[in-house]
Amino acid sequence: QVQLVESGGGVVQPGGSLRLSCAASGFTFSNYGMHWVRQAPGKGLEWVAFIQYDGNNKYYADSVKGRFTISRDNSKNTLYLQMNSLRAEDTAVYYCAKGATMTTVTCFDYWGQGTLVTVSS
Amino acid sequence: SYVLTQPPSVSVAPGKTASITCGGNNIGSKSVHWYQQKPGQAPVLVIYYDSDRPSGIPERFSGSNSGNTATLTISRVEAGDEADYYCQVWDSSSDHQVFGGGTKLTVL
Repeated sequence: QVQLVESGGGVVQPGGSLRLSCAASGFTFSNYGMHWVRQAPGKGLEWVAFIQYDGNNKYYADSVKGRFTISRDNSKNTLYLQMNSLRAEDTAVYYCAKGATMTTVTCFDYWGQGTLVTVSS
Repeated sequence: SYVLTQPPSVSVAPGKTASITCGGNNIGSKSVHWYQQKPGQAPVLVIYYDSDRPSGIPERFSGSNSGNTATLTISRVEAGDEADYYCQVWDSSSDHQVFGGGTKLTVL
């Protein structure tokens, strides 16, 4: 069965950095696009970033562009999100989500349980 | 950027039908996906490509999409359907995924 397990969340000061990881299993990781989606406390879902199955195309939400970098290691079945210059408004649960196809034009058919990132001094 | 508008809340009695709308400019030309999220849990896909159901999702869940409105319909509502529901589309003009603000379904 498909499993997505996020890690790397925690408390970080404003301006700091954090790297999230998402370990995938139960499917051929290298065949699917992957996404990060976040949810601030008590708020709705916000799409953060997408990476194509082969890593060649990446898209970012305007709110994180230039600060966050999505990447993947298909040999390790792992998705990453490098977050720099963190702000209080980046505080959220970050979900790793599997795209249903290779490209970004799709739904999210499986989600991890999320990892909490708190940006606070 | 493309905006999806959902009502903040919908209430329905058990056994009745709940309709949750998702409004967007010419949304009928896009593929709409719906997610259910219960407190403390990750979202779950309940409808994809406007009206398809993933395996394991009850037939009580259905979807439609036309004009400026997409609709998630839940028939014979049960207490266990109480959750937040989100619609989602891909915006080709920005290469961004977009979520609606979410609708809290309350079963009376």
